[in-house]
Amino acid sequence: KAGVTQTPRYLIKTRGQQVTLSCSPISGHRSVSWYQQTPGQGLQFLFEYFSETQRNKGNFPGRFSGRQFSNSRSEMNVSTLELGDSALYLCASSLGQGGAEAFFGQGTRLTVV
Amino acid sequence: GESVGLHLPTLSVQEGDNSIINCAYSNSASDYFIWYKQESGKGPQFIIDIRSNMDKRQGQRVTVLLNKTVKHLSLQIAATQPGDSAVYFCAENIPPGNQFYFGTGTSLTVIP
Repeated sequence: KAGVTQTPRYLIKTRGQQVTLSCSPISGHRSVSWYQQTPGQGLQFLFEYFSETQRNKGNFPGRFSGRQFSNSRSEMNVSTLELGDSALYLCASSLGQGGAEAFFGQGTRLTVV
Repeated sequence: GESVGLHLPTLSVQEGDNSIINCAYSNSASDYFIWYKQESGKGPQFIIDIRSNMDKRQGQRVTVLLNKTVKHLSLQIAATQPGDSAVYFCAENIPPGNQFYFGTGTSLTVIP
């Protein structure tokens, strides 16, 4: 059974640009959550999608957005990139009901210059 | 300016010894917990989980203990091996939904 797949693995963007990251969950999983990991703030929850709807949202500005497709694949978008957005962005996949095992992908390393 | 990172607690153990990693969680409404292992350059790897209606759960070489009274979680690794060297995170889930809130992590180094 394939694991969680995130693309691309690495990305370099310029301040002010926008970026889209992709996550394919484990087959059969309907919940996808996104996290940002930085040395300064650790692992922080961005948002969770379930059945194409945002179910939960963390404390991030509106520049961070996401969506989920009918096949459960998810994308997150960051607009007007800032230097502080440089981070490892991680996607976690769960079956769907609350309090379910969450499995992570390898992440996308975003560097903003 | 200089960026200040999180101060990660560190634990060094001799190969073959047992390791205990501790975690304090903050929300008494949390009802599901997961321990993750993260190696450099990789995403967090699921190790073991426990629900709030339990106080102990065992896996292969790992045991998680939950003390809801003091909101404390621990991960015990038996016969620690060099491959166990990594950063370990506890994560708490507050219903509803599958969002998790992570601790700062503990860096475990196993000395051969």
